[in-house]
Amino acid sequence: AQTVTQSQPEMSVQEAETVTLSCTYDTSESDYYLFWYKQPPSRQMILVIRQEAYKQQNATENRFSVNFQKAAKSFSLKISDSQLGDAAMYFCAYRSAKGETSGSRLTFGEGTQLTVNP
Amino acid sequence: NAGVTQTPKFRVLKTGQSMTLLCAQDMNHEYMYWYRQDPGMGLRLIHYSVGEGTTAKGEVPDGYNVSRLKKQNFLLGLESAAPSQTSVYFCASSNQGTYQETQYFGPGTRLLVL
Repeated sequence: AQTVTQSQPEMSVQEAETVTLSCTYDTSESDYYLFWYKQPPSRQMILVIRQEAYKQQNATENRFSVNFQKAAKSFSLKISDSQLGDAAMYFCAYRSAKGETSGSRLTFGEGTQLTVNP
Repeated sequence: NAGVTQTPKFRVLKTGQSMTLLCAQDMNHEYMYWYRQDPGMGLRLIHYSVGEGTTAKGEVPDGYNVSRLKKQNFLLGLESAAPSQTSVYFCASSNQGTYQETQYFGPGTRLLVL
């Protein structure tokens, strides 16, 4: 079974600064997908960024980028130029590429609560 | 286009009562999921469905039943609620089998069992 671990329950950053959230995972599979979801106080789960394991290039979405280290099974999220609206709980998630068998289920980490200080 | 909607938003139950949570999606997705979120534990999969008329157990299925009679709806039932089922419940749906497959989440249902 796959597991996802986020070792930082809480992080804080000054507005306009850069912060990195850590995520490690354990799997015996070679083909999979990784995601970062954001959950603001509204509780809505919002997809921030995704990474395909077969791609060596790190995914980027505007101010959000990842550092994907497949051999180390590490998948960190970097938020540049942090904004007050980035304050939220961030979840790292894993999905097997074996869609039909597993129903494409997501396995989530415990979450990291990010505070942005003005 | 409403995406994924959940009914109700909040509910209080007494131990032993039953209730059904409704999830609806208008994106013609094949796959649908029910998760529960508890403090410090992230989201855990309860049940899922890979198509109309199908259901399967997830990580924490005990105490719950599901039905997918229509493609757009996925119902989660609690036959006899227990305090341990106090949680926030999220429904999600996804497009099947594409490499761009992404799960879209509903706004959540907060359930309190006394």
